[in-house]
Order: sequence, then C-alpha cells, then structure tokens
Amino acid sequence: KQEVTQIPAALSVPEGENLVLNCSFTDSAIYNLQWFRQDPGKGLTSLLLIQSSQREQTSGRLNASLDKSSGRSTLYIAASQPGDSATYLCAVSGGTASKLTFGTGTRLQVTL
Amino acid sequence: DAGVTQSPTHLIKTRGQQVTLRCSPKSGHDTVSWYQQALGQGPQFIFQYYEEEERQRGNFPDRFSGHQFPNYSSELNVNALLLGDSALYLCASSSINRGKDGYTFGSGTRLTVV
Repeated sequence: KQEVTQIPAALSVPEGENLVLNCSFTDSAIYNLQWFRQDPGKGLTSLLLIQSSQREQTSGRLNASLDKSSGRSTLYIAASQPGDSATYLCAVSGGTASKLTFGTGTRLQVTL
Repeated sequence: DAGVTQSPTHLIKTRGQQVTLRCSPKSGHDTVSWYQQALGQGPQFIFQYYEEEERQRGNFPDRFSGHQFPNYSSELNVNALLLGDSALYLCASSSINRGKDGYTFGSGTRLTVV
C-alpha cells in the first residue's frame, strides 16, 4: 500500500526566503507525482507534474525534483511571497489515470 | 475553457439523510474521481468513473455510491449520513488516454452533517 509523507507539517518563513518542501513515498513504482496548492477551504490547484521518467519540472519560481529510486520529491520555492501562503500537497499515481495517494500537506506561511 | 465545476459549494444535512453532489469535468476529460478531505488531512480516494462505470474504488463503505452520465459529468451519493461524513468533497477529472497530463480538481463541496 502506497503511503506518502510530507515534512515539515508546517513552516513559517519571512518574505524573500527560498524554501524546500519534502515529500516521500513508500512504493517507488509510481507513474507520476503531482504537487498541488490548496488555499483554506478551497479546492486544489495543480502546480507541477513530474512523470516517473523525469527528474524535475520548473514553473516560474517553483522547481520540483523527483528521485524515484529513493522515494523522494522536493518542491523548491524561490524568493517566497506572502501570496505563497497556503497548504502544499504532494500526490503520487500508480498508473495512467490511476488514483492519487496524497500526503497530509505542508502548511506554509510567508510573513512580511 | 471551464475547469472542473462542482455543486453545491456548501451543504448542511442531518444525520441519517441522503445527499447528492455533482461534478462537471474539464472539457476534453472523460474520467471523474471523487475524494474526501477531512480537516487537516490529505484527500482520500473514494472512487473513479470512466465510461459510466466504476473503475476503481477506495476504502469507503457502500453508503457511498456514484454515477457517471454520457456527457461525462458525475454524481456522488451518500446515504445514511454520519457526523463523520462531514468533510470537503473534491472532484477531479482526467483523460484516460492522457494520463501523463495529471488531474484537474474542482473547488469542492463542503458538507456539514449535524
């Protein structure tokens, strides 16, 4: 059974800092890994998707890496802003259009 | 291009009642999945529909059932509501032939059972 863990559970940083969010998964036989952002009480917004054959993906100030063999992914946020404050969720899929298994998320607060 | 649309946004029901939640997938998507998210937790997979049939199911009781229509939209039904069913219910759509594109989520339906 796939299990996904995210560390830390919560993080508070001052504006402008670079930060790293961690995600680990127990079964390395994944199809892809997706990072989402969730604002309080809202739905999920997809940030980055990494295929199992890829090592990283970048979008603006965000960079996600994947090390499938070690069961780890990191989400790097450069030059953090107060608008980045949200919960960040990592999810893995075991096959094409297969279900997503989520971690419990990292709650990020970026302070002025 | 409309994304995933869910209705209603909020719902309050009494224990023992039944509820129906609705989801319209993103244009071009043919697969709909439902997730339950309790407060402070990650979403948990309920089930997935493709070609109007349940394709996969998570560890949820039979009180949770669903349907997919020919236009790919979907409903989630929950019978005999319990207080523990209070959660944010998320719908996600994807394309069975473009799994590498991942999932698109809706804004969710907040269900409160009193």
